[in-house]
Amino acid sequence: DTAVSQTPKYLVTQMGNDKSIKCEQNLGHDTMYWYKQDSKKFLKIMFSYNNKELIINETVPNRFSPKSPDKAHLNLHINSLELGDSAVYFCASSQGQGNMNTEAFFGQGTRLTVV
Amino acid sequence: QKEVEQNSGPLSVPEGAIASLNCTYSDRGSQSFFWYRQYSGKSPELIMFIYSNGDKEDGRFTAQLNKASQYVSLLIRDSQPSDSATYLCAVFPPSSYKLIFGSGTRLLVRP
Repeated sequence: DTAVSQTPKYLVTQMGNDKSIKCEQNLGHDTMYWYKQDSKKFLKIMFSYNNKELIINETVPNRFSPKSPDKAHLNLHINSLELGDSAVYFCASSQGQGNMNTEAFFGQGTRLTVV
Repeated sequence: QKEVEQNSGPLSVPEGAIASLNCTYSDRGSQSFFWYRQYSGKSPELIMFIYSNGDKEDGRFTAQLNKASQYVSLLIRDSQPSDSATYLCAVFPPSSYKLIFGSGTRLLVRP
């Protein structure tokens, strides 16, 4: 049973298109995240949701719109894709908050290539 | 100053040696610290977490935390070629819902 699963694993699309990535966790965690890992392998947080509410938006362009229909799901929709959006996007989840968060578990990643 | 800093490496050690990976963080109030391993093309995988000052051992891995110096380290004993990967240090700043990662240290274990 995969703890954090995201789909699709690979996504190749043209500039200007709109695409979505889905994420689901079965760990019962109340916090979910989207991270972007660029070509230099740096993992940068994009969004953080706690109990379906947006908590963190790290100055991400508003072409990126996360949606959390429930605690177990956090999807990412991207409008008007640009070449610079090419990266690996990771979903993750954790339990707790602030000072005593538990460890975060990651999905397998979605490699987005914009051509 | 970056919130979490690591030397990018690569750190090259011979098989059987001890690999020492270091990390510093800027927010003094941070309480939760994690080490992840990431193989090329794979997702980050948790190796160790540590919340209290001192050492925490798990098999060949030891995490060390010094809050006064804002310093976290990971020691890997009896390094194996299969340990070759990028090691990511991560910190939860106080009252935060975001796990901040360092840029990672690439470890190469030579057979």
